[in-house]
Amino acid sequence: AQSVTQLDSQVPVFEEAPVELRCNYSSSVSVYLFWYVQYPNQGLQLLLKYLSGSTLVKGINGFEAEFNKSQTSFHLRKPSVHISDTAEYFCAVSKENAGNMLTFGGGTRLMVKP
Amino acid sequence: GAVVSQHPSRVICKSGTSVKIECRSLDFQATTMFWYRQFPKKSLMLMATSNEGSKATYEQGVEKDKFLINHASLTLSTLTVTSAHPEDSSFYICSFLGTGETEAFFGQGTRLTVV
Repeated sequence: AQSVTQLDSQVPVFEEAPVELRCNYSSSVSVYLFWYVQYPNQGLQLLLKYLSGSTLVKGINGFEAEFNKSQTSFHLRKPSVHISDTAEYFCAVSKENAGNMLTFGGGTRLMVKP
Repeated sequence: GAVVSQHPSRVICKSGTSVKIECRSLDFQATTMFWYRQFPKKSLMLMATSNEGSKATYEQGVEKDKFLINHASLTLSTLTVTSAHPEDSSFYICSFLGTGETEAFFGQGTRLTVV
């Protein structure tokens, strides 16, 4: 079984500052890794995913994440946040086969202040 | 990305009634469907997984007789909350996975309030 831990439930940050949202996972098999964003009362939108290849993955809205196998981490970063980035962010994993369900972390609420 | 349409987005129902939530994939064929439940300020909890034309597989602790899932076609899945109670109030999200896909696409979610 897989598990995902998002170490921070809330991250307050000022506009235009950099931010890192932390994610660690555990799994006995190889996994795919994902970051999703959820705006209030909406479904989830994929920010980026790591399947294989380069460990630095770039996504939408200026976000990027780095897969670190030795530390079993997949931290999400953005060099300069906007007010519009305020949302809930979920890290998720799935087994390295198509058709498998996602296991989500507890979520991190990013609060961007002016 | 692929488009998944979920409706209604919000529904309020009386205790004891049933509510049906529909989820459609608009531009791809979805072989596998996941239904999630999300409590306020909490993460998504998988309720069940279904493959087109077969019975859903429910997660431990999820009552299959209360949460009826039908995945009758490659573009439509429904979740019916039967005999709803206030504790069933929650945010429900569907997710489709197409054949050979490595990522799932999510509906917009349904906010169910049982009064």
